[in-house]
Amino acid sequence: GAVVSQHPSWVICKSGTSVKIECRSLDFQATTMFWYRQFPKQSLMLMATSNEGSKATYEQGVEKDKFLINHASLTLSTLTVTSAHPEDSSFYICSAPGPSPGGYTFGSGTRLTVV
Amino acid sequence: EDKVVQSPLSLVVHEGDTVTLNCSYEVTNFRSLLWYKQEKKAPTFLFMLTSSGIEKKSGRLSSILDKKELFSILNITATQTGDSAIYLCAPTNFGNEKLTFGTGTRLTIIP
Repeated sequence: GAVVSQHPSWVICKSGTSVKIECRSLDFQATTMFWYRQFPKQSLMLMATSNEGSKATYEQGVEKDKFLINHASLTLSTLTVTSAHPEDSSFYICSAPGPSPGGYTFGSGTRLTVV
Repeated sequence: EDKVVQSPLSLVVHEGDTVTLNCSYEVTNFRSLLWYKQEKKAPTFLFMLTSSGIEKKSGRLSSILDKKELFSILNITATQTGDSAIYLCAPTNFGNEKLTFGTGTRLTIIP
C-alpha cells in the first residue's frame, strides 16, 4: 500500500541548532503534505500545508521563519526547525492525501528533543 | 473556521467496560468524518463515515454519524488493554484536503 517514509524517527539536538525532517511518498505522488505537531497527551495540531512548487501555507500562530517547509518535488517535503529551543521538543508527523484507507497516508513521525 | 470538539478529553475504565467517545464538528461543505486510533506513532485509520444513521462496525468497534446534529460517536465494547490510545476524529470537506483533528480522547483501560 501507499507509504510515506519519514526520517529521522527521532533526533536529539542542541539548543540553537537546526533540524531537518523529511517526508517522502513512496509509490504515489504527494502534491500536498500536511505537517503536524503533537505535544504529550495532546492531539495532532496542524502546523502547515506544503504544496509542490509553491509556498507553504501556515496555520495561525505558527512562525514561518522558524519552521521552514519545502516541497521540492512530487515525492518529497521537508520541515526544518531552525534555531531549535527546548520548547520545540515535540512529536512531528506528516500526512499526504493518498491511496490509503481514509484517504490520507501518514509518516511514522519524528520525536524531536532539544537539549 | 472548522471546529472539532471531542469528549471526554480523558477516560479511564476497567477492562470489559463499554465506552462511547463523542465528536462534534462544524465544517463547511462536509464530505466525511474520519476516526483514527493513535498509540505510539502514526494514527491508525478506523472508520470513514459519510452518511447519517449508517453504523460502521469493525469487531468490537462501531461508529455512527449524525449529519443533522453534526456529531459522531465511536463505541468500543468489551474493552481490552490494547484499546488504550488516543482516539482522534477529523471531518473532511469538499474542495479542501486539509485534515484538522479534534482535541482527541485519551482512553486508558485498566486491567
